[in-house]
Amino acid sequence: DIQLTQSPSSLSASVGDRVTITCRASQSISNYLNWYQQKPGKAPKLLIYAASSLQSGVPSRFSGSGSETDFTLTISSLQPEDFATYHCQQTYSTPPLTFGGGTKVEV
Amino acid sequence: QVQLQESGPGLVKPSETLSLTCTVSGYSVGSGYYWGWIRQPPGRGLEWIGSVYRSGSTYYNPSLESRLTISLDTSKNQFSLRLSSVTAADTAVYYCASSHDYSNPLGDWGQGTLVTVSS
Repeated sequence: DIQLTQSPSSLSASVGDRVTITCRASQSISNYLNWYQQKPGKAPKLLIYAASSLQSGVPSRFSGSGSETDFTLTISSLQPEDFATYHCQQTYSTPPLTFGGGTKVEV
Repeated sequence: QVQLQESGPGLVKPSETLSLTCTVSGYSVGSGYYWGWIRQPPGRGLEWIGSVYRSGSTYYNPSLESRLTISLDTSKNQFSLRLSSVTAADTAVYYCASSHDYSNPLGDWGQGTLVTVSS
């Protein structure tokens, strides 16, 4: 199985901050890396697919980068509605498709 | 846009079978897409369970495969999950979701349903 390691597991930030979350794969996954945002009691919502493509309707303050084993999700200026948990997911390998452990962004 | 809604018992006894259904609207499950299940134990991360394609082909998480069946019902526009011999470790919020292809992201999700395994 391909393991995804997210860091940090949680972070404290303020409105207006630039936030960076990393996701490292245990082997090369090309650009088959997606990012989701999840708010408490809600289903995950797709933000970024194929490492750097912004899902329709997602604000441009969100961006993704990276390839092979190292990936980054950046929020350029944190807004109040961005306090949530962020998950990375790889869709490169045959089963299983795996998720990272999540990063909680809190005040 | 595809809409998905999970349904099924919220409480299952240990050693019994967990059964959930996902009802799809806005798209025919027999027309395409991959239809999948994901779960999230309380306070923990997401775990991909498996997927089914319109042909009925299935893709399972090897850690669950021996207990797992995912199937499609095109007449009802639904797909289903059956997980046998459950234990407390199977307690989780279960989500159904869809992707355009196996290697594509999960673009649409159901709201999730909590299943508790307890006697």
